[in-house]
Amino acid sequence: EAGVAQSPRYKIIEKRQSVAFWCNPISGHATLYWYQQILGQGPKLLIQFQNNGVVDDSQLPKDRFSAERLKGVDSTLKIQPAKLEDSAVYLCASSKLTGTEAFFGQGTRLTVV
Amino acid sequence: QKEVEQDPGPLSVPEGAIVSLNCTYSNSAFQYFMWYRQYSRKGPELLMYTYSSGNKEDGRFTAQVDKSSKYISLFIRDSQPSDSATYLCASIAAGNKLTFGGGTRVLVKP
Repeated sequence: EAGVAQSPRYKIIEKRQSVAFWCNPISGHATLYWYQQILGQGPKLLIQFQNNGVVDDSQLPKDRFSAERLKGVDSTLKIQPAKLEDSAVYLCASSKLTGTEAFFGQGTRLTVV
Repeated sequence: QKEVEQDPGPLSVPEGAIVSLNCTYSNSAFQYFMWYRQYSRKGPELLMYTYSSGNKEDGRFTAQVDKSSKYISLFIRDSQPSDSATYLCASIAAGNKLTFGGGTRVLVKP
């Protein structure tokens, strides 16, 4: 069974630029999560989808971050404009249903300079 | 107060020792508990998944949940240098978001 795929693996951008990350979850997984992990900290949930509907986006900075999950499969997370404090690893995870085991991708390491 | 708390470590043990990791949580609605291992520059990897109170064993790993004291533990027996990583505990309430602790760095010295 293929795991969660994310791209790109690394991205360096200047502040005020925009960036997008892509995630392909495990086939058949209805729940998809985007997490932000700052160095030395645990992952922080940004947004959670159930199929293509948003379940929780309470910690998503909506003035600059947006996410969508088209057709309940792939998802993209966008930052526009980026700030220095957005430098982090962005992790995508998926699970069959909310409350079951969540599996993570390798993450996208974003550096904002 | 964070919903899930972990001591950041680092926790340094000699090879072959038992590694003992702990988390506390504040949300009584949490029902499912997970432990993840994260190597440097990698995504978290699921180690253990438990529901409600009790013990679960998988090879060298044992997870314990005590809902009465809101305490989660992970024990690693016969630790190996390859167990050196950051260990993250996570909890979830039904229909709710998966919440992580800050992680504990573990170093197993040969």
